Amino acid sequence: KAGVTQTPRYLIKTRGQQVTLSCSPISGHRSVSWYQQTPGQGLQFLFEYFSETQRNKGNFPGRFSGRQFSNSRSEMNVSTLELGDSALYLCASSSGQGASMETQYFGPGTRLLVL
Amino acid sequence: QKEVEQDPGPLSVPEGAIVSLNCTYSNSAFQYFMWYRQYSRKGPELLMYTYSSGNKEDGRFTAQVDKSSKYISLFIRDSQPSDSATYLCAMSVTGFNKFYFGSGTKLNVKP
Repeated sequence: KAGVTQTPRYLIKTRGQQVTLSCSPISGHRSVSWYQQTPGQGLQFLFEYFSETQRNKGNFPGRFSGRQFSNSRSEMNVSTLELGDSALYLCASSSGQGASMETQYFGPGTRLLVL
Repeated sequence: QKEVEQDPGPLSVPEGAIVSLNCTYSNSAFQYFMWYRQYSRKGPELLMYTYSSGNKEDGRFTAQVDKSSKYISLFIRDSQPSDSATYLCAMSVTGFNKFYFGSGTKLNVKP
């Protein structure tokens, strides 16, 4: 079974621009979660999508948004980029069935550098 | 105050040593406790998880949860250079949907 894939792997943008990151979950998984990872803050939860609906949301400003398509692929968008948005953005997929414990499988991440 | 606190390290030990990694948390509603390992330039991978309090062993790895102290630990016996990675603890109330991560402890096992 293919793992979680994320594109692009690396990205350089300038302040004020916007960016779209893509995540393809493991086949059959319907839940996709996004995280931001920085050296100072660690992994912080952005949001989770299940069946094209945002099911959970973290404490990030509205500049961070996402969506999920009918094939469970997900995109994350950051508008009006700030220097502090430089980070590794990780996507994780799980079955989303609401079982007692769901293993999240992470992709390799997209490293975003904002200049 | 962050919900999950973890010493960032780095922690450097000789091969064969016993390693102890720890996290503290503030939310008493957490029921699921996980440990992830992250190698450089890779996403985290789940090592093991524990439900509620108690111990769980898997090969050289042992996870402990003390809910009364809001403290969890991961022990690695007979550490190997291949164990060199960043270890992240994570917690959840339900076990799905929303997970809270520590900032990670970087471990270096020297041959």
